[in-house]
Amino acid sequence: RKEVEQDPGPFNVPEGATVAFNCTYSNSASQSFFWYRQDCRKEPKLLMSVYSSGNEDGRFTAQLNRASQYISLLIRDSKLSDSATYLCVVNIQAGTALIFGKGTTLSVSS
Amino acid sequence: GAVVSQHPSWVICKSGTSVKIECRSLDFQATTMFWYRQFPKQSLMLMATSNEGSKATYEQGVEKDKFLINHASLTLSTLTVTSAHPEDSSFYICSATGVFTNSYEQYFGPGTRLTVT
Repeated sequence: RKEVEQDPGPFNVPEGATVAFNCTYSNSASQSFFWYRQDCRKEPKLLMSVYSSGNEDGRFTAQLNRASQYISLLIRDSKLSDSATYLCVVNIQAGTALIFGKGTTLSVSS
Repeated sequence: GAVVSQHPSWVICKSGTSVKIECRSLDFQATTMFWYRQFPKQSLMLMATSNEGSKATYEQGVEKDKFLINHASLTLSTLTVTSAHPEDSSFYICSATGVFTNSYEQYFGPGTRLTVT
């Protein structure tokens, strides 16, 4: 079983749509959780951290369910510029390497 | 925010040659640097963890004699791909974490795209 699993994708949505990505992780000792965004042929960039209480950043909402070992990302009012690959990322311990999911590709069209 | 640079951004080399990739933390001291590799349509896979002044720790399946890592200072780590072969063609990305940054956050370099012909 892979350590971090994500929706297979790709997701093709029109502008203005709401889209949700799901992710599960296998190590219950995981301490930190993130969503990264990766554009084609670029390095991943931190989109947002994910907290148990849930957190929102503009059109983006992230949720964490530790009991189910489940992470989600909701994007509202999709923009063309949201087109990218979204990576679910987990960290077991501070100072150790991040563990990446395979990523889910989002394509927003006009 | 903290900045990490990589050099070169892309390189094409012939099979059998060696390539050195540099990863630098520009405005913080990186006590730990990580080297990842990403093949097309795949996730980033950790190759090795590098702590300043000590030997790198390699992930299972990564040949330490082929991928030489040196972390001689708090701002520089290098990855040398020795005797490169076409199957080593990939996107190599480093990340760094340091004493003065959020211990859970890592800063990524822009990556190096290696093509071995």
